[in-house]
Amino acid sequence: KAGVTQTPRYLIKTRGQQVTLSCSPISGHRSVSWYQQTPGQGLQFLFEYFSETQRNKGNFPGRFSGRQFSNSRSEMNVSTLELGDSALYLCASSFKGDGTFVHGSSPLHFGNGTRLTVT
Amino acid sequence: AQSVTQLGSHVSVSEGALVLLRCNYSSSVPPYLFWYVQYPNQGLQLLLKYTSAATLVKGINGFEAEFKKSETSFHLTKPSAHMSDAAEYFCAVSDPTSGSRLTFGEGTQLTVNP
Repeated sequence: KAGVTQTPRYLIKTRGQQVTLSCSPISGHRSVSWYQQTPGQGLQFLFEYFSETQRNKGNFPGRFSGRQFSNSRSEMNVSTLELGDSALYLCASSFKGDGTFVHGSSPLHFGNGTRLTVT
Repeated sequence: AQSVTQLGSHVSVSEGALVLLRCNYSSSVPPYLFWYVQYPNQGLQLLLKYTSAATLVKGINGFEAEFKKSETSFHLTKPSAHMSDAAEYFCAVSDPTSGSRLTFGEGTQLTVNP
């Protein structure tokens, strides 16, 4: 089975621009979550989608948004980029055997991330 | 609210020596605990997880961890370090209502010296 795929791997944007990152989960995984990783703040949860609905949201400003499509692929968007948005953005997928919303015990399968640099 | 504290942001061991990476958690409900490893320019890979079954959990690559409720700890160990173990290790906590929301520790960078 193919793993979680994130595109692009690297992005360089200018302050004030917007960016869209893409994530394709493992086949059959219906839950997709996003995390931001920075040297200063570590790994922080952004949001989670299941069946095209946002189920959980972290403590990030409204400039950070996401969506999920019917094939479980997900995108996250950051508008009006700031220098502090420079980070590795990680997508993870998970599943529960009965196909319902994942349980906290379900392990996450991470992609290799998108490295965003804002200049 | 949940939190995770990893003691020691950097740990250095010799090849063949014991690896011990410390993790303490705080959770108001029975937790699920995870250890992930991250190699340079890669995402996180699951090493092992505790989900209220056996308190001693065995994972991949010879790693194991023991859940100690009285100490609120979930330390990661490996009897004999290998050069390929050099990476960053993250402890994380969730609970039955968390979905995919994990709270991560700050990470421990493991260096293995020849």
